[in-house]
Amino acid sequence: DAGVTQSPTHLIKTRGQHVTLRCSPISGHKSVSWYQQVLGQGPQFIFQYYEKEERGRGNFPDRFSARQFPNYSSELNVNALLLGDSALYLCASSTGTGGAGETQYFGPGTRLLVL
Amino acid sequence: KQEVTQIPAALSVPEGENLVLNCSFTDSAIYNLQWFRQDPGKGLTSLLLIQSSQREQTSGRLNASLDKSSGRSTLYIAASQPGDSATYLCAVTPGTYKYIFGTGTRLKVLA
Repeated sequence: DAGVTQSPTHLIKTRGQHVTLRCSPISGHKSVSWYQQVLGQGPQFIFQYYEKEERGRGNFPDRFSARQFPNYSSELNVNALLLGDSALYLCASSTGTGGAGETQYFGPGTRLLVL
Repeated sequence: KQEVTQIPAALSVPEGENLVLNCSFTDSAIYNLQWFRQDPGKGLTSLLLIQSSQREQTSGRLNASLDKSSGRSTLYIAASQPGDSATYLCAVTPGTYKYIFGTGTRLKVLA
């Protein structure tokens, strides 16, 4: 079975632009989470979606938004890009919303560079 | 607020050495603790998951332990190999839906 896939793999944008990142979960997984990983740091939680509804949100500004589609794929949108948005954006999928013994499976990430 | 700390930040060892990576967390109210491996510029690969009711998990040359009351976990790697070179991340699940990660330990195993 295919793992979590993300597109694009790399992206270069300029300050003030908008970006859309895409994620396809493992077949049968209904939950998608997004994380931001700045160079040298651990991933930081941005959003989780389950069954097309937002179930959790991290400490990120309103410039960050996401949605989940009926096929459980997801998009992360970032408006008015700042230099500090440069990071590896990771998508993870899981069967449920998380609990004892449940793991999330991570995709390869999208590397975003904001100039 | 849950905080996760990993020590050391970087480690360089000769091949064949046994080594221990440390992870500490401030709030013992967790569902799971999980260790991940990350190769440069890549996504995360799950190594071991320990539920809050468990004390340890083993997979091959890897063994992870959890002491929830003291807020500590260790990842033991036996007979290290150059292919083990990567960043190792510890994460806790404080409730549902999200991980809280440490900043990682960058491991280099020298041939």
